[in-house]
Amino acid sequence: AQSVTQLDSQVPVFEEAPVELRCNYSSSVSVYLFWYVQYPNQGLQLLLKYLSGSTLVKGINGFEAEFNKSQTSFHLRKPSVHISDTAEYFCAVPTMDTGRRALTFGSGTRLQVQP
Amino acid sequence: NAGVTQTPKFQVLKTGQSMTLQCAQDMNHNSMYWYRQDPGMGLRLIYYSASEGTTDKGEVPNGYNVSRLNKREFSLRLESAAPSQTSVYFCASSGGQTPKLNTEAFFGQGTRLTVV
Repeated sequence: AQSVTQLDSQVPVFEEAPVELRCNYSSSVSVYLFWYVQYPNQGLQLLLKYLSGSTLVKGINGFEAEFNKSQTSFHLRKPSVHISDTAEYFCAVPTMDTGRRALTFGSGTRLQVQP
Repeated sequence: NAGVTQTPKFQVLKTGQSMTLQCAQDMNHNSMYWYRQDPGMGLRLIYYSASEGTTDKGEVPNGYNVSRLNKREFSLRLESAAPSQTSVYFCASSGGQTPKLNTEAFFGQGTRLTVV
């Protein structure tokens, strides 16, 4: 079964510093990968996705992620974070048992941007 | 644009009580989902409905039932609530006929449920 591992539960960073949130996946089939963001007391919203093509994917709010097949990784990056980026970030893959309709999520990484 | 609407937003239940969480989407999506979110565990799928008239179990279905009332609405019922069901519940929907399109999900704001 496909799964994702988010290696860091919390990442503190100062405003305007760069950040990388790590995600590794396991899969024996074609890979689709997603990053979702959850702001405090809200639902999740799609940040970016990799389906095929270019391995560098750009998303909303200046975030980007790079699909690395050899390292089975899909790390999320932003060159300069803002206070408003404080949120929880989830990496996800389609769930094979559901015909790839539902998603299997990682445990999440809480990004804390400090002034 | 309402998107996915969940009710209620907050609920406190006593052990053994029952309740139904409501979810409706206005995006004409085929598939709908119920997830629960617990600290350090991400979101886990409870049940899903690939299309109107069908429902299937997800990773953690025990203690829950669902109804896909029509294309818009997908409800989650707790027949006899237990403290282990204290969680934040999210409804989501996705559209499209192919897996690529179908896996971009739109989420509701969540229901924070406490069972005492």
